[in-house]
Amino acid sequence: GAGVSQSPSNKVTEKGKDVELRCDPISGHTALYWYRQRLGQGLEFLIYFQGNSAPDKSGLPSDRFSAERTGESVSTLTIQRTQQEDSAVYLCASSLGTSGPIFVRYFGPGTRLTVL
Amino acid sequence: QQPVQSPQAVILREGEDAVINCSSSKALYSVHWYRQKHGEAPIFLMILLKGGEQKGHDKISASFNEKKQQSSLYLTASQLSYSGTYFCGTLETGANNLFFGTGTRLTVIP
Repeated sequence: GAGVSQSPSNKVTEKGKDVELRCDPISGHTALYWYRQRLGQGLEFLIYFQGNSAPDKSGLPSDRFSAERTGESVSTLTIQRTQQEDSAVYLCASSLGTSGPIFVRYFGPGTRLTVL
Repeated sequence: QQPVQSPQAVILREGEDAVINCSSSKALYSVHWYRQKHGEAPIFLMILLKGGEQKGHDKISASFNEKKQQSSLYLTASQLSYSGTYFCGTLETGANNLFFGTGTRLTVIP
């Protein structure tokens, strides 16, 4: 089927506004991840969902960041009261599971967020 | 938790070889390698599981030394299409999350 999709592809917002970023994982993938990639930087882990287990939120940088996932489907990453340092590409990935080869991440094209 | 990659950047001429290293201070169960071209999503290259195995994919291969918590990616006879940023992702023993290194930017020139 289709790969991981994300929307919007680009988002420009003003400082202080809230934004919502959406991720549609590959059908059947139970695990879903959010990463942040600042310009020229590596992949910074934000949050991870696995099936019906409680999400691993250990990478969220502040309480302005939150994410939800509906079952094993769509996920939304919300950033409240955006700051300029939130500007980055937000990448979503999904995988079949969490161990061995099925742990391979398939990444979406990302959402480029620019906070003015 | 984040593995360390070296070098940070490398420039090659077509046909030359390169080695990218990834090391961790933690006991590792597996290492993943991804390549990201500018403006695109990272693409999976290969996974190496605990056991000191070596894998190959065309002229790109990798090794994993679990005792040293290190992995190396070998690119031989580089092609222009190899250009991009290479990331290693490490899965620590007993964990269920992958942490990525800061990346190695590889540029292959004619």
